[in-house]
Amino acid sequence: DAGVIQSPRHEVTEMGQEVTLRCKPISGHDYLFWYRQTMMRGLELLIYFNNNVPIDDSGMPEDRFSAKMPNASFSTLKIQPSEPRDSAVYFCASSPGSGNTIYFGEGSWLTVV
Amino acid sequence: AQSVTQLGSHVSVSEGALVLLRCNYSSSVPPYLFWYVQYPNQGLQLLLKYTTGATLVKGINGFEAEFKKSETSFHLTKPSAHMSDAAEYFCAVPPGGGGNNLTFGKGTQLKLEL
Repeated sequence: DAGVIQSPRHEVTEMGQEVTLRCKPISGHDYLFWYRQTMMRGLELLIYFNNNVPIDDSGMPEDRFSAKMPNASFSTLKIQPSEPRDSAVYFCASSPGSGNTIYFGEGSWLTVV
Repeated sequence: AQSVTQLGSHVSVSEGALVLLRCNYSSSVPPYLFWYVQYPNQGLQLLLKYTTGATLVKGINGFEAEFKKSETSFHLTKPSAHMSDAAEYFCAVPPGGGGNNLTFGKGTQLKLEL
């Protein structure tokens, strides 16, 4: 079975540029999560969706970050404009809901220079 | 809100030795508790999951965890460490209030020594 698929796996961009991270959740999963991992702050929940609707975006750091889920099989996390402090690994994850088990993608490694 | 605390950001053991990684949850008994493992340059992978009822939970790769209500703990153990166990381990819990996400601990890096 295909797991959570993220793209790109690695991205290096210049400060001020727009970054778009993409995610395809596991088919049939009703929940989709975006997490950010850094050495300093560990694993942080940015936002999560249920049936394509944002449920909790309290972890989104600021207005430069936005996330969308136009359909059940696709989500994007956008950073505009990007800053060096946004450098991190961004994980997309999905869950069938019942039981809270979350399945992670391989991550998108973002470096902003 | 529920949270978990992982004691020790780094643990070193010799190959063949017992592995013990500590996790304590914050308040009321949670419906679920999780351990995830993250190998270098990879995403998090489910190691095992506690659900109400069974206090000793067996996971993949020979790991197990015991839920102890009296100690508010859910420590992860493995009798004999292998070099391939070197990774970062995360304890996680639902945040409470009906949320379907997970709150993760800070992680414990397990290092294997020859």
